[in-house]
Amino acid sequence: LAKTTQPISMDSYEGQEVNITCSHNNIATNDYITWYQQFPSQGPRFIIQGYKTKVTNEVASLFIPADRKSSTLSLPRVSLSDTAVYDCLVQAGRRALTFGSGTRLQVQP
Amino acid sequence: KAGVTQTPRYLIKTRGQQVTLSCSPISGHRSVSWYQQTPGQGLQFLFEYFSETQRNKGNFPGRFSGRQFSNSRSEMNVSTLELGDSALYLCASSPETGSVGETQYFGPGTRLLVL
Repeated sequence: LAKTTQPISMDSYEGQEVNITCSHNNIATNDYITWYQQFPSQGPRFIIQGYKTKVTNEVASLFIPADRKSSTLSLPRVSLSDTAVYDCLVQAGRRALTFGSGTRLQVQP
Repeated sequence: KAGVTQTPRYLIKTRGQQVTLSCSPISGHRSVSWYQQTPGQGLQFLFEYFSETQRNKGNFPGRFSGRQFSNSRSEMNVSTLELGDSALYLCASSPETGSVGETQYFGPGTRLLVL
């Protein structure tokens, strides 16, 4: 399984753009990159998924370089409610998801 | 469409007892996976069911078991509970359309406390 590495924590202020980078040097050809958001004592919530280049939805953007060895989740104009743990996953197949410790984002007023 | 539901939401048991947790996937989803989340170990995969068959299994002892019914609802059972089994148990479902990057949708979890 491809291992992911991301910063343990990040701090930001309301209204700022936040970029969280995840390294996945051993990503396999068929692997997709998926980001989840998790609040304390709740299940992960899907944010965005991509394979290569750039993906954008109503919540975030995901940038993936050509070598796919890293990816960057971009959250535009964060608010206090975006304070959460963000998990980067490299999906090995369709089934078992391997979560790391994630990045704890703290948004200040 | 209703999301993944799990019952009960909270449970307190004592060591040696057994427990059964229930999960109802999103309507139309055929794959159900179970995860255990603890502060120390993070989210760990237990097993996955599809068409009433266990298709994938994580590294948990045989005390942890599960099953899936014909309507895709799933249950997991933990026998001879240990203190270390205290955790948030999460169920996730996916449509299983065959897409490699298919997303899993998580339920709110069942918080189990073993005393």
